[in-house]
Amino acid sequence: QVQLQESGPGLVKPSETLSLTCAVSGYSISSGYYWGWIRQPPGKGLEWIGSIYHSGSTYYNPSLKSRVTISVDTSKNQFSLKLSSVTAADTAVYYCARDRTGYDWAFSDYWGQGTLVTVSS
Amino acid sequence: SSELTQDPAVSVALGQTVRITCQGDSLRSYYASWYQQKPGQAPVLVIYGKNNRPSGIPDRFSGSSSGNTASLTITGAQAEDEADYYCNSRDSSGNLRVFGGGTKLTVL
Repeated sequence: QVQLQESGPGLVKPSETLSLTCAVSGYSISSGYYWGWIRQPPGKGLEWIGSIYHSGSTYYNPSLKSRVTISVDTSKNQFSLKLSSVTAADTAVYYCARDRTGYDWAFSDYWGQGTLVTVSS
Repeated sequence: SSELTQDPAVSVALGQTVRITCQGDSLRSYYASWYQQKPGQAPVLVIYGKNNRPSGIPDRFSGSSSGNTASLTITGAQAEDEADYYCNSRDSSGNLRVFGGGTKLTVL
């Protein structure tokens, strides 16, 4: 059974960098698939942040691209999110997920439970 | 356009059929996936590809697509189906992903 678990600080100060890690169990990241991050501000909808292939290729939401870095550590079977220069608008529940992509489809089949990150001084 | 549009809210009587729609230019090229989210929980994949259900998802959930519109149909809605539903697909470039704004389903 594939499981994902987010971890990281629950409180980040404005202008600082948000850093989260997603630990994967039950599947080896180096075996394939994309691995992604999605966020959800309180009371709002889901927003795709970006994803990374096991080889390191990345794709980012254009609206966040200048501030986002997603990286993978296959030796630890985990991947990470860094979001710089955060503001209150970045307060959200952050989810990690396994992404599967084909010729004319894409979906996220396994999700972490999510972690709330609040941006506040 | 890289946007996906959903109706904010839909209601259905218990045991009846409801269709939740998602519109966007990218849906002419790519299938949508659908996610159910209950309060305080992570989203759960319910439909992917042409019309595929992950293991454990009841067969009352089905998906379809026509032109720029993807649909999630629940045939015989149950009380436990009351949730927010999100569509998701690749954007027109094919490299990125985009979510619809979500539809709140109320089962009356």
